[in-house]
Amino acid sequence: GAGVSQSPSNKVTEKGKDVELRCDPISGHTALYWYRQSLGQGLEFLIYFQGNSAPDKSGLPSDRFSAERTGGSVSTLTIQRTQQEDSAVYLCASSSPGRKGYTFGSGTRLTVV
Amino acid sequence: AQRVTQPEKLLSVFKGAPVELKCNYSYSGSPELFWYVQYSRQRLQLLLRHISRESIKGFTADLNKGETSFHLKKPFAQEEDSAMYYCALRGQGGSEKLVFGKGTKLTVNP
Repeated sequence: GAGVSQSPSNKVTEKGKDVELRCDPISGHTALYWYRQSLGQGLEFLIYFQGNSAPDKSGLPSDRFSAERTGGSVSTLTIQRTQQEDSAVYLCASSSPGRKGYTFGSGTRLTVV
Repeated sequence: AQRVTQPEKLLSVFKGAPVELKCNYSYSGSPELFWYVQYSRQRLQLLLRHISRESIKGFTADLNKGETSFHLKKPFAQEEDSAMYYCALRGQGGSEKLVFGKGTKLTVNP
């Protein structure tokens, strides 16, 4: 597509439920990133996929968080047993090979009640 | 470890005044530095990269390796510059992930 697409744009869930957030990167972009944006905390790196390499999961805050990228394209971020502190905007970005910046999606605003 | 510090959470200036958003970084090698901007209700977008040495919307930023800084400057702020600004760093080699600062909210008053 023309840009990075994320769905849903908003998600309200009850504490303890599992959620799945989807990211569709720009076609041809080999790298895909997930970040979490919280008020006062800036952008917190979560996970990074690059081609067929093993993902860099060093930013995932707990084992309740996981992500997949199927076929080198669409990615799904899963949060199990959601907690109130998981409430944030989850941003996805993709980039093409080379030393350039990212293109960000519009994010998924997750609210855990 | 890679770290980006933006010391000001909030910055308020009047239209036409100069503005400088501070960014300091910690990295042992030669980093790449970026500024991203997020206008109200819009997605985060790249403003400029130090490698390009360009001026975008009147903004410039110079990488000062001695002071490990990459401050964003504009000589005459406009109301439409009001936004959230993030400084980001990418190291050379290994992971290509960006490390972001916590951001500075710029308000340009009329």
